[in-house]
Amino acid sequence: EVQLVESGGGLVQPGGSLRLSCAASGFTFSSYWMSWVRQAPGKGLEWVANIKQDGSEKYYVDSVKGRFTISRDNAKNSLYLQMNSLRAEDTAVYYCARRITIGAFDIWGQGTMVTVSS
Amino acid sequence: SYELTQPPSVSVSPGQTARITCSGDALPKQYAYWYQQKPGQAPVLVIYKDSERPSGIPERFSGSSSGTTVTLTISGVQAEDEADYYCQSADSSGTYEVFGGGTKLTVL
Repeated sequence: EVQLVESGGGLVQPGGSLRLSCAASGFTFSSYWMSWVRQAPGKGLEWVANIKQDGSEKYYVDSVKGRFTISRDNAKNSLYLQMNSLRAEDTAVYYCARRITIGAFDIWGQGTMVTVSS
Repeated sequence: SYELTQPPSVSVSPGQTARITCSGDALPKQYAYWYQQKPGQAPVLVIYKDSERPSGIPERFSGSSSGTTVTLTISGVQAEDEADYYCQSADSSGTYEVFGGGTKLTVL
C-alpha cells in the first residue's frame, strides 16, 4: 500500500525549532519529487516546499524562505522539514505529499499538527 | 505573488450540477489540479491536467479549461460530495505551486 506517515509535530514557543519527518512506503521514493503543504486551523491549503528526487533542487514559499529547510534521505525513504524561527502564523497541520511529474500531489499523509504558542 | 481565485461557497441540491471556478493569469500556460477535502481528512486529488480523472474517482467529476479560468464540474451531485474543493497550479515559471482559497460545496 502506498503510504506517507508524518511525525514530529507538537507545541513549540515562538522563535523555537521543530523537525518534521515523513516516512514513505509502497513506492519507489527516490523516483519522485516530494512536498510539504500546510493548512492553518479553519483555513485553506498552502504549499510550503518542494524537493527534487536527488535533493539537488528545492523551492519554498516566500513566507518560509530562510527559516525552513526541506531535505530527504532516499536510503531511509524519508522526507524532512526543519523549521526554525517559528512564528504564530506557522501554526498549521503539515502534510507530506508525493508530487508527480505533471505537478499534482497524488498521495498525501494524514498530517501532523504544529502549534506555535507561548 | 501569484494567486488563484475561487468562490468561497457553492450550493446545489442533490442530483443537480455543481460548477466551481478557479481563475489565474498563468492558467493558460500551466495545468490545473483539483482536490476534495472532507473535514478532518487529507485532500484527495480528483482532477489532474485540467480535465483528467485519476482512477477511482467517479465519472461525475470532470474538469475543463478556458483561458484564465478552469472549472470543476460535478454532475448529479450526491450528499457525499459535500466538501471543500481546492484548485492548484503553478506560477508562470512553473517553479512555485499555489492553491486557490478553496470552495465549500454544500449539498442542500
